[in-house]
Amino acid sequence: NAGVTQTPKFRVLKTGQSMTLLCAQDMNHEYMYWYRQDPGMGLRLIHYSVGEGTTAKGEVPDGYNVSRLKKQNFLLGLESAAPSQTSVYFCASSAPSGSQAKNEQFFGPGTRLTVL
Amino acid sequence: QQQVKQSPQSLIVQKGGISIINCAYENTAFDYFPWYQQFPGKGPALLIAIRPDVSEKKEGRFTISFNKSAKQFSLHIMDSQPGDSATYFCAAKHAGGFKTIFGAGTRLFVKA
Repeated sequence: NAGVTQTPKFRVLKTGQSMTLLCAQDMNHEYMYWYRQDPGMGLRLIHYSVGEGTTAKGEVPDGYNVSRLKKQNFLLGLESAAPSQTSVYFCASSAPSGSQAKNEQFFGPGTRLTVL
Repeated sequence: QQQVKQSPQSLIVQKGGISIINCAYENTAFDYFPWYQQFPGKGPALLIAIRPDVSEKKEGRFTISFNKSAKQFSLHIMDSQPGDSATYFCAAKHAGGFKTIFGAGTRLFVKA
């Protein structure tokens, strides 16, 4: 089991460029999340999904869009990147309520994004 | 709006000493309080967790102390080792839901 994987690991963008971050999990988890991690701010939830075909806004959704076309994949898009979106992005997944491991979130290794 | 406040921001401890990280929360609707450990260049990973009906949970050298009336919980690392050097996040999950609110993190450095 690879767990949660993220692509790419690093990326540098210019202001106004677009890109998509890919997250994949092989644990058959229902719930998936995108967080950003900034110094002194912890992990902040951008968007999340409770199942295939569903997405919802988290704490800091502005400037990002997501899609969950397949259960195992969760994509995060930046349509027009801004320097304020320079951050480390983490994807995570968890099993649904009612399952034994429902509370634990499993994180990917992160994507370090710099917007110039 | 940070619902989980974590302190200190950074901590330096001698090898063999006790590391203590504190967290406070405001929302009484939380029902699960995990601690995540993150090594440089890696994603966070669950270290230990507690529910509010328990005042203490111990796993090896790691202990969570929970004070429901004060809305505070803390992580104690006994006999701290250089391999414990990492960033630690406390967190809280809403009851009946799945969204988890994370603290700002504490960077721990254990001196050999």
